[in-house]
Amino acid sequence: DSGVTQTPKHLITATGQRVTLRCSPRSGDLSVYWYQQSLDQGLQFLIQYYNGEERAKGNILERFSAQQFPDLHSELNLSSLELGDSALYFCASSGGGTGFEQYFGPGTRLTVT
Amino acid sequence: AQSVAQPEDQVNVAEGNPLTVKCTYSVSGNPYLFWYVQYPNRGLQFLLKYITGDNLVKGSYGFEAEFNKSQTSFHLKKPSALVSDSALYFCAVRDTNYGQNFVFGPGTRLSVLP
Repeated sequence: DSGVTQTPKHLITATGQRVTLRCSPRSGDLSVYWYQQSLDQGLQFLIQYYNGEERAKGNILERFSAQQFPDLHSELNLSSLELGDSALYFCASSGGGTGFEQYFGPGTRLTVT
Repeated sequence: AQSVAQPEDQVNVAEGNPLTVKCTYSVSGNPYLFWYVQYPNRGLQFLLKYITGDNLVKGSYGFEAEFNKSQTSFHLKKPSALVSDSALYFCAVRDTNYGQNFVFGPGTRLSVLP
């Protein structure tokens, strides 16, 4: 158990809908990262937050957004969903230094029908 | 820009034999290098990292990796493979010139045959 929790575990929804994925980092970790893992794209970095502020942005679509709250949990919002958004979405957390490894949650499997 | 390559999609090895999973990287600054393992329907688990110091780093489950700056490589090794090592392995790099972004390689599927 990494100490990172994600909910829900599975999500099935229709095209055009909006969903919210939730992540709670390990105790004491200030950084939260979101990744998308699909069969043909591998593990893609989406966005990073550090202590409530956006720190880095990767290949995140404009239809996707995220935020980190004062209690350090984070939410990833996916809107106008398309079939191609079906994937595993992982959250990871780490300490503040650049030498810190990331610890991954179990993921949310999103299926868009 | 930083990048990571894992030249083998699949590695097959017999149980008890040594295993190597290859990783090469490209960064502009100094690299921080990481290996992760992913079992089916699970999140990624941290195995080991190289930040500085000794080029040979030891990690979880008997794995080790050797940092080679001249060859820009960070290959994962284990002296004696177990069937339970069968999983997907990811190499990742953080470039000190690019803040805290991680870049992950495409992954290598390791199959250990009994």
